[in-house]
Amino acid sequence: GQSLEQPSEVTAVEGAIVQINCTYQTSGFYGLSWYQQHDGGAPTFLSYNALDGLEETGRFSSFLSRSDSYGYLLLQELQMKDSASYFCAVAGGTSYGKLTFGQGTILTVHP
Amino acid sequence: GAVVSQHPSRVICKSGTSVKIECRSLDFQATTMFWYRQFPKQSLMLMATSNEGSKATYEQGVEKDKFLINHASLTLSTLTVTSAHPEDSSFYICSAPGREDNEQFFGPGTRLTVL
Repeated sequence: GQSLEQPSEVTAVEGAIVQINCTYQTSGFYGLSWYQQHDGGAPTFLSYNALDGLEETGRFSSFLSRSDSYGYLLLQELQMKDSASYFCAVAGGTSYGKLTFGQGTILTVHP
Repeated sequence: GAVVSQHPSRVICKSGTSVKIECRSLDFQATTMFWYRQFPKQSLMLMATSNEGSKATYEQGVEKDKFLINHASLTLSTLTVTSAHPEDSSFYICSAPGREDNEQFFGPGTRLTVL
């Protein structure tokens, strides 16, 4: 089976930096993805790591350590609009394309 | 980027009725699509994998006779919730994988409310 753990809530102020951690256990692993979801909306893709290391995409970066089954999403220069739920997800198992999501981290950004 | 649409975006129905939700890939072909369900304040849970030209593959605990999936063409998958009950009220989201390893395109979701 597959399981992912991430913190349930994180709070920060505008302009700050936040790191959301994710640890996973999988029977097969193709990569770790991060998605953002605002209330009532669908998930939107943020970042993906198939190999160890840091991937940077604008204000968002994601890191993966396959040996530790661990990754994180780093959000810099936080803005109010970044308040949302953030999910880590692994692709793998018996069918590549299938995503197993973590429980999600609710990020609240205060002025 | 690629777009996946869902219809309807919201539906309210009476208990015991059936509801069909459509998922379309608008500018690409998808031999596989995925259906997820998300209850309030919870994560997305994969329900089933929709396969064009063959039967859907259901995740453990998902009733295949209750959640009927038909992958009618390379751009359309439908999920029918049969004999819906209030506990089926949820946010249903479909997705389709893209060509790249990390690509997964999600539809905007369908909010189902069963009275």
